[in-house]
Amino acid sequence: NAGVTQTPKFQVLKTGQSMTLQCAQDMNHNSMYWYRQDPGMGLRLIYYSASEGTTDKGEVPNGYNVSRLNKREFSLRLESAAPSQTSVYFCASSEGQGAFYEQYFGPGTRLTVT
Amino acid sequence: KNQVEQSPQSLIILEGKNCTLQCNYTVSPFSNLRWYKQDTGRGPVSLTIMTFSENTKSNGRYTATLDADTKQSSLHITASQLSDSASYICVVAHQTGANNLFFGTGTRLTVIP
Repeated sequence: NAGVTQTPKFQVLKTGQSMTLQCAQDMNHNSMYWYRQDPGMGLRLIYYSASEGTTDKGEVPNGYNVSRLNKREFSLRLESAAPSQTSVYFCASSEGQGAFYEQYFGPGTRLTVT
Repeated sequence: KNQVEQSPQSLIILEGKNCTLQCNYTVSPFSNLRWYKQDTGRGPVSLTIMTFSENTKSNGRYTATLDADTKQSSLHITASQLSDSASYICVVAHQTGANNLFFGTGTRLTVIP
């Protein structure tokens, strides 16, 4: 099992460009999440999908959109990248939605917006 | 306000030595507390998860403690190894709500030979 995979690993964008970060999990998990990690701050939830067909905003959703393509895949789209979106992005998945479900994280995508 | 604070921010120790990392939180109502290890350039990996009724939990050389009354937790690493060099993140789960995990900023541990 690969667990949670993310592509690409690194990306450099110019301000105003768009891109989609891809995430897939092979653990048959129902819930998936997108986080960003910035220096000196804890991980912050951008969007999550409690189950296939549903998505909801997290703590910092502005400037992002998501798509739960199927049970395995959850993508994050930046429509018009801004320097403030320079960050490391992590996708995670869990068997269910709730406080007791362990989240499994992907390796991350390091995004730089110039 | 629900917050998780970790100390120290960074720590350097000699291989073979022990160390203790601290986590204080204000998350309420509390559900559980997790410690994650994050290697450089990788995603966080869970070490332990502790509920309200658990005071101590071990995972190999890692031992986590929880005092729910004072809202404090610690992660003790015994006989450190070079591979322990990583960031250690304390995460506290709130009982309710979908966006219910509160992440600390982590302690960066460096183990030197």
